[in-house]
Amino acid sequence: GQSLEQPSEVTAVEGAIVQINCTYQTSGFYGLSWYQQHDGGAPTFLSYNALDGLEETGRFSSFLSRSDSYGYLLLQELQMKDSASYFCAFHTGGFKTIFGAGTRLFVKA
Amino acid sequence: EAQVTQNPRYLITVTGKKLTVTCSQNMNHEYMSWYRQDPGLGLRQIYYSMNVEVTDKGDVPEGYKVSRKEKRNFPLILESPSPNQTSLYFCASSLAAASSYNSPLHFGNGTRLTVT
Repeated sequence: GQSLEQPSEVTAVEGAIVQINCTYQTSGFYGLSWYQQHDGGAPTFLSYNALDGLEETGRFSSFLSRSDSYGYLLLQELQMKDSASYFCAFHTGGFKTIFGAGTRLFVKA
Repeated sequence: EAQVTQNPRYLITVTGKKLTVTCSQNMNHEYMSWYRQDPGLGLRQIYYSMNVEVTDKGDVPEGYKVSRKEKRNFPLILESPSPNQTSLYFCASSLAAASSYNSPLHFGNGTRLTVT
């Protein structure tokens, strides 16, 4: 089947670095994306990896290892506004996008 | 402003009463999709459309219908809603089907549906 696994919750302090892991199972794979969703809001796109390696976008970085079916989102210099849910999602050749259940990040002062 | 617009934001209805949730995008995107979000289950894809008159089932299509008569609109239709369809629904669009830096999903603000 097709699925993604990510931790349900992560807690970190302001200014720290946090890593949110995502492992996936699929027969067709065209890339891994990350989305952020604040309470009551819509998901917004953060990052995308089609190939192995690290992609950096400001304080956020995303990593992919296709051989390990594994990726992570790295958030640096955490701010209170980063408290949100983070979803990994993979894209299949059949035009589907499959989302993980989400990781709720709590940033403490 | 580039956006995906869903209506209504909140909807309370009774079992069996047909309803439509509208979705419109002004970005000339080819790909549109509907998701439902339930606690602990993330976003699950209901239906998607690659272009006008081209639609296909996602992972949870039972009880839903869609149509894509125009590029900008992709309504979600519940012919006979049931309580298990109580959920938060999101419409999304992207330039092309496979996400990339040039083609991320843009989401509407969501529709919270309650079926009693």
